[in-house]
Amino acid sequence: AQSVTQLDSQVPVFEEAPVELRCNYSSSVSVYLFWYVQYPNQGLQLLLKYLSGSTLVKGINGFEAEFNKSQTSFHLRKPSVHISDTAEYFCAVSEVNNNDMRFGAGTRLTVKP
Amino acid sequence: GAVVSQHPSWVICKSGTSVKIECRSLDFQATTMFWYRQFPKQSLMLMATSNEGSKATYEQGVEKDKFLINHASLTLSTLTVTSAHPEDSSFYICSAPRLAGVYEQYFGPGTRLTVT
Repeated sequence: AQSVTQLDSQVPVFEEAPVELRCNYSSSVSVYLFWYVQYPNQGLQLLLKYLSGSTLVKGINGFEAEFNKSQTSFHLRKPSVHISDTAEYFCAVSEVNNNDMRFGAGTRLTVKP
Repeated sequence: GAVVSQHPSWVICKSGTSVKIECRSLDFQATTMFWYRQFPKQSLMLMATSNEGSKATYEQGVEKDKFLINHASLTLSTLTVTSAHPEDSSFYICSAPRLAGVYEQYFGPGTRLTVT
């Protein structure tokens, strides 16, 4: 089955600085990849997804991610973060033709003023 | 856009009682739905796959007799936590994939269960 590793449990960063949240996956077949954001006591909000095509995916709130098949990675980036980006971020993988989704452990992004 | 709802959004129950959580796809049909559990400050863990018209598929380590899943229609799946105990207190989230057109998986807002 597929699995996801988020390499950083916590990422502190100053406001307006760039940020990268790392995600690596493991699967023996083709996959779909996702990044979700979760604010305290709320559900998941989809930031972006990779299904096929261009490996650079742009999402909401200025986030983007790049699918790298050779490195089995799907890192999330934002060139300039805001205080409001403080939240938990989850990387998720779903194998093509198998709809169940597996989540990474999450990365807590804290943006400081 | 497609929406998945959950009811209730939060529930408090006494130890030993049962609690039912509903997951509905509001504007699309879902032959499959997924149930996740999220403990505080942890990730979502897949509990089971709910299949319309057939038995649910449980992940290893999840007690099927404790977490009863019923997928009675193409828009409704229910999770019943039977004989709840404080360690069952968690955030339960359902999701439903929409397979028509571009693949998308929609998540419900979650249900906070507290067992006292």
